[in-house]
Amino acid sequence: EVQLLESGGGLVQPGGSLRLSCAASGFTFSSYALSWVRQAPGKGLELVSTISGSGGSIYHADSVKGRFTISRDNSKNALYLQLNSLRAEDTAVYYCAKGGRQQPFDPWGQGTLVSVSS
Amino acid sequence: QSALTQPPSASGSPGQSVTISCTGTSSDVGGYNYVSWYQQHPGKAPKLIIYGVSQRPSGVPDRFSASKSGNTASLTVSGLQADDEADYYCSSYAGSNNLGGFGGGTKLTVL
Repeated sequence: EVQLLESGGGLVQPGGSLRLSCAASGFTFSSYALSWVRQAPGKGLELVSTISGSGGSIYHADSVKGRFTISRDNSKNALYLQLNSLRAEDTAVYYCAKGGRQQPFDPWGQGTLVSVSS
Repeated sequence: QSALTQPPSASGSPGQSVTISCTGTSSDVGGYNYVSWYQQHPGKAPKLIIYGVSQRPSGVPDRFSASKSGNTASLTVSGLQADDEADYYCSSYAGSNNLGGFGGGTKLTVL
């Protein structure tokens, strides 16, 4: 069974940083693109970042470009999202998902909440 | 980024059918057969219900069907049940130089 488990969320002040992690199991990790998708309270889904299976291709939404960095460690079956220069509007539940680009997002983790507030 | 347009709400009575649209452009929905649909119940993670425009993953009831015409994809839920009440999101691949993205979501209410 494919499983994704996010961690690392929490309360942070504006301008601060966080590193989200996603531990994966149940599939050949390095063969699949992975993505981070966020959902602000009461809002819709926003695709934040996607990374290819090898890690050689990376895509970020314009809203986070230059502030967030997606990465992966295929030896540890782990996906990461480094969040810097956080703003109030980055407050959201962050989901990791297997897939992206031409692959559907399936499955999704349970999400981790990032709250940016002073 | 992809900017797909969905109606904010849709509704139907139990047993009826409802169709939700997802309108993009020739650079996303119209240009590729990589449209997917997701169901999200309150407080839960989204769940894939359609991929590749019209393919259902294992375990998804055949009451859920989807298609595409031009730049618009559509999801039809037939034989509405109470548990179908949820938010539905479409997504599309948008080419090698674009991240892609999701529609704004449609809240489906079962009356």
